[in-house]
Amino acid sequence: NAGVTQTPKFQVLKTGQSMTLQCAQDMNHNSMYWYRQDPGMGLRLIYYSASEGTTDKGEVPNGYNVSRLNKREFSLRLESAAPSQTSVYFCASSTGTVQETQYFGPGTRLLVL
Amino acid sequence: GENVEQHPSTLSVQEGDSAVIKCTYSDSASNYFPWYKQELGKRPQLIIDIRSNVGEKKDQRIAVTLNKTAKHFSLHITETQPEDSAVYFCVVAGSNYQLIWGAGTKLIIKP
Repeated sequence: NAGVTQTPKFQVLKTGQSMTLQCAQDMNHNSMYWYRQDPGMGLRLIYYSASEGTTDKGEVPNGYNVSRLNKREFSLRLESAAPSQTSVYFCASSTGTVQETQYFGPGTRLLVL
Repeated sequence: GENVEQHPSTLSVQEGDSAVIKCTYSDSASNYFPWYKQELGKRPQLIIDIRSNVGEKKDQRIAVTLNKTAKHFSLHITETQPEDSAVYFCVVAGSNYQLIWGAGTKLIIKP
């Protein structure tokens, strides 16, 4: 039981490049989330998926797109990376609403030059 | 929308002493308040949570208190130990699927 996994662990991009961050969970959770964490700040929600087949914007969705590929997988795509997107990205999952424990992946550290 | 303020940003206590971290929020409709601990370079992990129908909750050395009227809640850690060193985040459920995070408190335990 791996919990929540993310790939890659670290990535360097040049401005304008695109990439997809992958997330998978094996806990049969319905809800999945993408957050970013900037230095000295709490996590900010980018997008979430309340259930398979649905996605919704969070607090900071601009510059990102997501895909809930199936119940297990939720990917985050940066179409044209900008230096302001340099951050640590965390994926999380929960059984249902946020009033359940969220389980986090190990994070992806992204540097955009 | 919901706004969460957390204080202090850094807290240094002697090993064995108590630590208290405080948070305020703005939306009186919020009803779920978890606390997450994040060790350096690691993922956040839930340590305790409280719902609005409860004023206090304890789990061994950790307790959380909630004052809904004043819209503030606090984390209390007693008999602090070196492994308590981490960043602690207070969080508020802004809706069914959105958590609003405080900026974090770096807790330093001095030997």
